[in-house]
Amino acid sequence: GEDVEQSLFLSVREGDSSVINCTYTDSSSTYLYWYKQEPGAGLQLLTYIFSNMDMKQDQRLTVLLNKKDKHLSLRIADTQTGDSAIYFCAEISDTDKLIFGTGTRLQVFP
Amino acid sequence: GAVVSQHPSRVICKSGTSVKIECRSLDFQATTMFWYRQFPKQSLMLMATSNEGSKATYEQGVEKDKFLINHASLTLSTLTVTSAHPEDSSFYICSAPRGQGAGNTEAFFGQGTRLTVV
Repeated sequence: GEDVEQSLFLSVREGDSSVINCTYTDSSSTYLYWYKQEPGAGLQLLTYIFSNMDMKQDQRLTVLLNKKDKHLSLRIADTQTGDSAIYFCAEISDTDKLIFGTGTRLQVFP
Repeated sequence: GAVVSQHPSRVICKSGTSVKIECRSLDFQATTMFWYRQFPKQSLMLMATSNEGSKATYEQGVEKDKFLINHASLTLSTLTVTSAHPEDSSFYICSAPRGQGAGNTEAFFGQGTRLTVV
């Protein structure tokens, strides 16, 4: 069945880069997404990548996709304390359902 | 960009009462909307798919009589938690995909509703 996995926690120092990893199972997903959820808030779409791309860069964010290994990563350059949140990767099924990963809690310390 | 508005953002209700949550797509039509539930420190769980003009499709384990979904128009879906109990306390989020099929789809989320049943 469909399954999306992420590591649960990541702790980085302010100014360093953060890399959040995700593995998925549905090879037919045409879009893969990264969402950010701040405490007590809804989901904010950060970025997404088409399945025919290997990389997408958007300011401090870099998404890498290894379709062969079904591996997706989100790199945040120059991580700031405001980046502390839970990050969800998600794939979209052929019926438009989003399948979410377990979420990675990013903690940025000074 | 496209916006999905969800209302209310927070609600506290007494045990046994019903609560209605609205999800509106503001600048696009959504024949399908999705309702998710998020437990504390956990990921989002898809509850049901709301279909305009027809019955909602519920995921396994979700009680359709408890979580009533009505997709009355192309821009509005409602989730009613009936006879709410404390265990229904959770964060509920709706989303609406824009586009036809997975080939041209972006999903937009509402702000979420924090339901607390006392």
